[in-house]
Amino acid sequence: DQQVKQNSPSLSVQEGRISILNCDYTNSMFDYFLWYKKYPAEGPTFLISISSIKDKNEDGRFTVFLNKSAKHLSLHIVPSQPGDSAVYFCAAFTGNQFYFGTGTSLTVIP
Amino acid sequence: DTGVSQDPRHKITKRGQNVTFRCDPISEHNRLYWYRQTLGQGPEFLTYFQNEAQLEKSRLLSDRFSAERPKGSFSTLEIQRTEQGDSAMYLCASSSGTSYSPLHFGNGTRLTVT
Repeated sequence: DQQVKQNSPSLSVQEGRISILNCDYTNSMFDYFLWYKKYPAEGPTFLISISSIKDKNEDGRFTVFLNKSAKHLSLHIVPSQPGDSAVYFCAAFTGNQFYFGTGTSLTVIP
Repeated sequence: DTGVSQDPRHKITKRGQNVTFRCDPISEHNRLYWYRQTLGQGPEFLTYFQNEAQLEKSRLLSDRFSAERPKGSFSTLEIQRTEQGDSAMYLCASSSGTSYSPLHFGNGTRLTVT
C-alpha cells in the first residue's frame, strides 16, 4: 500500500512562473515531511523539509506547505528556472522509516 | 563532509551469481539505510542500521539479501543467487539520527541481472 502518493507523474512550467508539486499521504503518524530532487544517474538530493508542528517552511525559491487536516503537502518553486528540471520526490517519516512517493517529473521550459 | 559514497556505480551480473555493494556514509552519521528503486517508482525501504545494529528489515528483503555494518561505519549489501527481478538501483542513505534530520543519499549502484 502506497502511503505517500504523488498523483501527477509530470508537470511543465514556463521559466519564471511558479511550479507547484503536490503530495498526499494516508498515515496520520507521519511527523516529518521532505522533498527531494533527482537528476538522472544521481541519487536523490535533499531540498527542503517541514515538521508536523509547522504549516510552512521557506528556503529561498522553495516553499513547502503542509495541510495536516487534508493530509496534503505541496512544494512551490518561484521563480522556476531551467535547472529545476528534474524528478521531485516527496517523503514522509514516522518511527524509523522514510516513505517515498513515486515522483513528479518537472520540466521548466526556457 | 564528502557525502555518501557507493561502490560500484554499475554492476552487470548473470542470473545466479552473487553480488556485493558497499556504502560509506557521512562520517558522523549513525543511521544508515538501504533502498531499492525501479523505473517509475520512488525509493523502497530495504533495511536500516543504527550504528552497527540492524534494527529493521522490509519484507521486500528476501533471505537472499543480507546487509551488514561492521563497527558502525561502512555497510555492505549482498544479494545471493541473483534473479532478473533484482535489477534495480540500490541506494544507500545516512542521517545523523537527531530529530527531524533528513536522509542524505549516495548516487546508487545500478544492478543489471542478465
